[in-house]
Amino acid sequence: GQNIDQPTEMTATEGAIVQINCTYQTSGFNGLFWYQQHAGEAPTFLSYNVLDGLEEKGRFSSFLSRSKGYSYLLLKELQMKDSASYLCAVMDSNYQLIWGAGTKLIIKP
Amino acid sequence: GAVVSQHPSRVICKSGTSVKIECRSLDFQATTMFWYRQFPKKSLMLMATSNEGSKATYEQGVEKDKFLINHASLTLSTLTVTSAHPEDSSFYICSARDGTSGRAMETQYFGPGTRLLVL
Repeated sequence: GQNIDQPTEMTATEGAIVQINCTYQTSGFNGLFWYQQHAGEAPTFLSYNVLDGLEEKGRFSSFLSRSKGYSYLLLKELQMKDSASYLCAVMDSNYQLIWGAGTKLIIKP
Repeated sequence: GAVVSQHPSRVICKSGTSVKIECRSLDFQATTMFWYRQFPKKSLMLMATSNEGSKATYEQGVEKDKFLINHASLTLSTLTVTSAHPEDSSFYICSARDGTSGRAMETQYFGPGTRLLVL
């Protein structure tokens, strides 16, 4: 079966760095996405990786290793507004998005 | 970035009534739209995939006669929850994929969601 695993919850301090991991097992691979979702709102797109390596976009970076079925989202210089759920999703061979359950990130002052 | 709107944002209805939710892509043509539902503290659950001009493809366990999907144009898809019951109360989110972009497979743009409460 298809499976996406990510931690349920993480806590970090304002100004620090946090890494949210995601491992996956899917039928085929057409890219991995990270989305941010604030409580009560729809997800917003953060990043897309289809090749191995690191993609940097401002304070956020996303890494992919296809051979290991592994990705992480790195958030630097954490701000209180970064408190949200972070969803990992993999596009399978049918171009369907398979969603992880999300990681709730709590930022403390 | 591309914009997807959803209407209404919130709806409260009586059990047994039907509710229609609209999803529109405002500045691009969406050849494919997706309908999700999300329960509190849970991840997104894909309900169906809607392609313009053809019948929607429903995920296993989703009743197609209860959740009617129409994708009549490249910018509009509707989800109708028929004979709604309290257990249908949820957060319904649509997303759209830009069919004209060369990077069409990369991104789904999400609508803001519709919170449905059935009394």
